[in-house]
Amino acid sequence: EPEVTQTPSHQVTQMGQEVILRCVPISNHLYFYWYRQILGQKVEFLVSFYNNEISEKSEIFDDQFSVERPDGSNFTLKIRSTKLEDSAMYFCASIGQVQETQYFGPGTRLLVL
Amino acid sequence: QKEVEQNSGPLSVPEGAIASLNCTYSDRVSQSFFWYRQYSGKSPELIMSIYSNGDKEDGRFTAQLNKASQYVSLLIRDSQPSDSATYLCAVNLNTGGFKTIFGAGTRLFVKA
Repeated sequence: EPEVTQTPSHQVTQMGQEVILRCVPISNHLYFYWYRQILGQKVEFLVSFYNNEISEKSEIFDDQFSVERPDGSNFTLKIRSTKLEDSAMYFCASIGQVQETQYFGPGTRLLVL
Repeated sequence: QKEVEQNSGPLSVPEGAIASLNCTYSDRVSQSFFWYRQYSGKSPELIMSIYSNGDKEDGRFTAQLNKASQYVSLLIRDSQPSDSATYLCAVNLNTGGFKTIFGAGTRLFVKA
């Protein structure tokens, strides 16, 4: 069964450093999402991406964040200058058609020290 | 601010009982609603999607949607200890783009 994959599974970084989280969505999917979940809190929408551009973004997704689909398979989330409060689990998700089910990747746990 | 509200629980039911989970949402024009299950440290996994008013059944799970009341629920029949998890209600917002809002989740414990 096709699945969404994410790398790395865990990342530890120093405050102020740049991180890139990588996702490989299901191959024929067209819509891509990033979410974050701070430990013990709810899943929060960050951004959605369709047709090589951002479709929607939340208030969390400020100028420190960017997304890219560099090569037609990977979907990346970059945090330019990490802050302590960026520590969270980051989930990638993809869907094939609008209003269909989102398939989630296993997540990347980011710890900013 | 569009919201999805859930009782955080924990909801504790004995094995074999029916667990009832509830969710309300504020965006009146939302069209798509989802229930996900999340085990600790894992990603959400879909249990049910529902798009029309009424009931939708899938095995031991029944989702109920009432758009007039902006209410969606999930019933789990014959609850098993393996159903113990956090259940997340999610709503696709009708923003012209693609945005999904999750509730904070209800923790369910099924006692053997």
